[in-house]
Amino acid sequence: ILNVEQSPQSLHVQEGDSTNFTCSFPSSNFYALHWYRWETAKSPEALFVMTLNGDEKKKGRISATLNTKEGYSYLYIKGSQPEDSATYLCAFIGYGGSQGNLIFGKGTKLSVKP
Amino acid sequence: DGGITQSPKYLFRKEGQNVTLSCEQNLNHDAMYWYRQDPGQGLRLIYYSQIVNDFQKGDIAEGYSVSREKKESFPLTVTSAQKNPTAFYLCASTYKTGTGSEAFFGQGTRLTVV
Repeated sequence: ILNVEQSPQSLHVQEGDSTNFTCSFPSSNFYALHWYRWETAKSPEALFVMTLNGDEKKKGRISATLNTKEGYSYLYIKGSQPEDSATYLCAFIGYGGSQGNLIFGKGTKLSVKP
Repeated sequence: DGGITQSPKYLFRKEGQNVTLSCEQNLNHDAMYWYRQDPGQGLRLIYYSQIVNDFQKGDIAEGYSVSREKKESFPLTVTSAQKNPTAFYLCASTYKTGTGSEAFFGQGTRLTVV
């Protein structure tokens, strides 16, 4: 079974702080990496789909980078706001044995205090 | 609005009973998935279907069954053989498997065995 690790497990920051989390995944047979935001009582929603080594994606105050050769991705939030409080999931897709399905990490739970 | 609908939101089952969780999508997606989440765990894949009348076991398929008779629908049956069925169940869909496209999720069903 392929392993996708996220760190830290949880994070508490003050409003206005910038923060980042890590997703580690197998560096072989890489196809794509996804980031999702999951707010309480809602469905997970896609933030980024990343496929190329060196990719950098940005959506407002949130950005992500990808290193497929070493098997990690960073998610950055600049100037955190209380509405950023959520669990952030990454999901790996590989070629071959994983048959195109998503393999999720356990998530990083972010709490932003006003 | 296109999306995925899971029902019911909460479900209680007596030990020894089978129960079926509903998942319907109107996104015209070929691929559908069922995940299970337990406290402190990531999303684990139960079953997935790449196309109508086809489905594959995921990592934790024992005690579960699925059908995919229509493109829009992918119901999950939790059988009495599932030893620890109390969990949160999440249904998802993607345009196709193997394309790396983002997943869309339902709001989940929380199943409790009483």
